Amino acid sequence: QQPVQSPQAVILREGEDAVINCSSSKALYSVHWYRQKHGEAPVFLMILLKGGEQKGHEKISASFNEKKQQSSLYLTASQLSYSGTYFCGTAINRGNEKLTFGTGTRLTIIP
Amino acid sequence: EPEVTQTPSHQVTQMGQEVILRCVPISNHLYFYWYRQILGQKVEFLVSFYNNEISEKSEIFDDQFSVERPDGSNFTLKIRSTKLEDSAMYFCASRGQGAGEAFFGQGTRLTVV
Repeated sequence: QQPVQSPQAVILREGEDAVINCSSSKALYSVHWYRQKHGEAPVFLMILLKGGEQKGHEKISASFNEKKQQSSLYLTASQLSYSGTYFCGTAINRGNEKLTFGTGTRLTIIP
Repeated sequence: EPEVTQTPSHQVTQMGQEVILRCVPISNHLYFYWYRQILGQKVEFLVSFYNNEISEKSEIFDDQFSVERPDGSNFTLKIRSTKLEDSAMYFCASRGQGAGEAFFGQGTRLTVV
């Protein structure tokens, strides 16, 4: 079953903040966040692992609530380049870590 | 920076024809994946490949699909008899040992006419 993302879409003015949420009904091993611009490949942003380990870009922050199987991606002081569709991908097993992606959150930043 | 490369970038094929999509994963990676994305929709898992065999596949990955790692560097996805609904962007991804990010290639846009 795919993770549920919210909101589906958000429009921000440059400099504003946003939070994108991802929740799963299954116990997760890891949550991966990607950004995809139109016609391009998903670009890795952040991985959050069960147990608290995180890896990702310095300017991106995220959280993973293991009890609730929820993750949130925090975008602060948004820039025009942040526009795109954000996907969370969830993995339930260590090792294979095939990702089940949510339906995405379309973020539009306006000047 | 190492990257996953895919060829061709765009493939147009007639319904019923066979297509082979090619990928060169990052050289020291061990896990390989194919995903697809129908226009405007989410990215969907097709198959994962580890230690020269399929480790998991989705219900989309039926008998018309197959994967190979023929020479230790390339990773291919073959669709034997394409259908109109196979039209999508196909992404290859690879990942190294241990928990970590999967790197995606730029994708092959497959159009079945």
